[in-house]
Amino acid sequence: GQNIDQPTEMTATEGAIVQINCTYQTSGFNGLFWYQQHAGEAPTFLSYNVLDGLEEKGRFSSFLSRSKGYSYLLLKELQMKDSASYLCAVIDSGYALNFGKGTSLLVTP
Amino acid sequence: TAGITQAPTSQILAAGRSMTLRCTQDMRHNAMYWYRQDLGLGLRLIHYSNTAGTTGKGEVPDGYSVSRANTDDFPLTLASAVPSQTSVYFCASSSGTGESGELFFGEGSRLTVL
Repeated sequence: GQNIDQPTEMTATEGAIVQINCTYQTSGFNGLFWYQQHAGEAPTFLSYNVLDGLEEKGRFSSFLSRSKGYSYLLLKELQMKDSASYLCAVIDSGYALNFGKGTSLLVTP
Repeated sequence: TAGITQAPTSQILAAGRSMTLRCTQDMRHNAMYWYRQDLGLGLRLIHYSNTAGTTGKGEVPDGYSVSRANTDDFPLTLASAVPSQTSVYFCASSSGTGESGELFFGEGSRLTVL
């Protein structure tokens, strides 16, 4: 089975930095994804980690520690448009992604 | 570019009726998936298909069936809808494993069962 945990809600200020954590316990591990989902829209891909360490993509970075079953998504220079849900997902032993329940991020002025 | 097309966008259905949600992709991806998304529960996998001609059960398959007659199409059928199947349904596809396991999602189908 799988268990993927992330905070339900977070609030941060425009221009600030926010870190969204994700912990997982899965029967296998073939990679971890982060997706962004705006209200009423489909999820869109943000990042992929399969090896330990930090992957940086512009304002967004994602970190993975396989031994700890832990990842985080770091968002820098927050903008109002970053208000969205952020979904952590793990591929265990097959093809399919198993998703956490998502973290709703509100960016305030 | 179309990517993944779902139909209908939204539907209201009487309990006990059958319904097929359509999903077509033009990316020639091997793998396709159906997820449902409910408030507070996140995205949950209903059924998947790793390649044309094969299907498998996900986390919440009861009350749903799928078929994969060809690479492009992956319809989801509710044989006798119940109110607990009210949800937003997302079809997705991927080209393979690892980083190729990135999912591309359709725009979703909002289903209300009364």
